[in-house]
Amino acid sequence: DAKTTQPTSMDCAEGRAANLPCNHSTISGNEYVYWYRQIHSQGPQYIIHGLKNNETNEMASLIITEDRKSSTLILPHATLRDTAVYYCIVRVTNTGNQFYFGTGTSLTVIP
Amino acid sequence: EAGVAQSPRYKIIEKRQSVAFWCNPISGHATLYWYQQILGQGPKLLIQFQNNGVVDDSQLPKDRFSAERLKGVDSTLKIQPAKLEDSAVYLCASTAGGGYTFGSGTRLTVV
Repeated sequence: DAKTTQPTSMDCAEGRAANLPCNHSTISGNEYVYWYRQIHSQGPQYIIHGLKNNETNEMASLIITEDRKSSTLILPHATLRDTAVYYCIVRVTNTGNQFYFGTGTSLTVIP
Repeated sequence: EAGVAQSPRYKIIEKRQSVAFWCNPISGHATLYWYQQILGQGPKLLIQFQNNGVVDDSQLPKDRFSAERLKGVDSTLKIQPAKLEDSAVYLCASTAGGGYTFGSGTRLTVV
């Protein structure tokens, strides 16, 4: 079962930052948080991952709270092409590093 | 690097027929996964391979689903006989130990 909870849907104005929250209150100390997104008719695409520290790459930033019970994915300047379903996933280390997906957040970027 | 290749891209079959999907993972990725994604839901893990051995098939409906990865490289997933509720996108993913890379999936429609 998924170890994460996310809002079902969110809207964001084009050009503004999109902040997508995720709760993972049962995360264990050595379990990573991964974010993927899925655009219609495609497979999930890797965005970013982290363990304890905040992370940034060319796509997004990941902010993990100090207690690691929640995180936020930030898309700094959302474009229409960022419209997708975003999945927050805890990689479960004691079951072969498997990914258990929830239902994700459907982000709509509005012109 | 080349991505995860899946074929066919689309398949329509009648119930009680059989169908097979093929996946070629990224070269060197020892771990391969098959996921089932029903419309409106997140992907659900069916089976995990490590090289040519099964690590976890607890979620695979073994009365009708089978999968193999004989030479530890490409893999096939078979459904026999298919049911209406098997209509879904079947995703293959591979990893060398960190994040997963997903293929584009095979969209199966059972009529």
